[in-house]
Amino acid sequence: DSGVTQTPKHLITATGQRVTLRCSPRSGDLSVYWYQQSLDQGLQFLIQYYNGEERAKGNILERFSAQQFPDLHSELNLSSLELGDSALYFCASSVDLAGRNEQYFGPGTRLTVT
Amino acid sequence: SQKIEQNSEALNIQEGKTATLTCNYTNYSPAYLQWYRQDPGRGPVFLLLIRENEKEKRKERLKVTFDTTLKQSLFHITASQPADSATYLCALADYYKLSFGAGTTVTVRA
Repeated sequence: DSGVTQTPKHLITATGQRVTLRCSPRSGDLSVYWYQQSLDQGLQFLIQYYNGEERAKGNILERFSAQQFPDLHSELNLSSLELGDSALYFCASSVDLAGRNEQYFGPGTRLTVT
Repeated sequence: SQKIEQNSEALNIQEGKTATLTCNYTNYSPAYLQWYRQDPGRGPVFLLLIRENEKEKRKERLKVTFDTTLKQSLFHITASQPADSATYLCALADYYKLSFGAGTTVTVRA
């Protein structure tokens, strides 16, 4: 158990809908990262927050947004969903900024868009 | 653009042998390099971190090397066991984020 929790575990929704994925980092970790993993794309970095502030952006679509709240939990909002958004979405946390610290990954949310 | 390549999609080895995985990168000067293990349907698990000024790092049966001139990292699993079967991901790090390779799937036969 990494100490990172993600809800829900599974999500099935229709094209055009909007969903919210939630992540609680390990106790004491200030950085939260979001990743998307699909079969053909591997693990893709989406966005990073550090103590409530956005610090880095990766290949995140404009239809996607995220935020980190004062209690450090984070939410990833996906809107106008398309079939291609079906993937595993992972949240990770680390005590400090990336690179020099290991990241702890949650169990993931499996999103299926039908 | 930045590119991270991990060797052959799958590696099949006999129990007790050493598995060697390769991670090559281009157009990148990472300060850190990390290796993760991922089992099917689960989140990656951190294994080792090596800094650009370190040549080698060990942890139990795992060894990582980092050659910034060749732009390559090698990951070794010695005395492999069936429980080592998983996908291993190389990740290059700058200050803010990790960029992951596609991974190498290792299967250890008893």
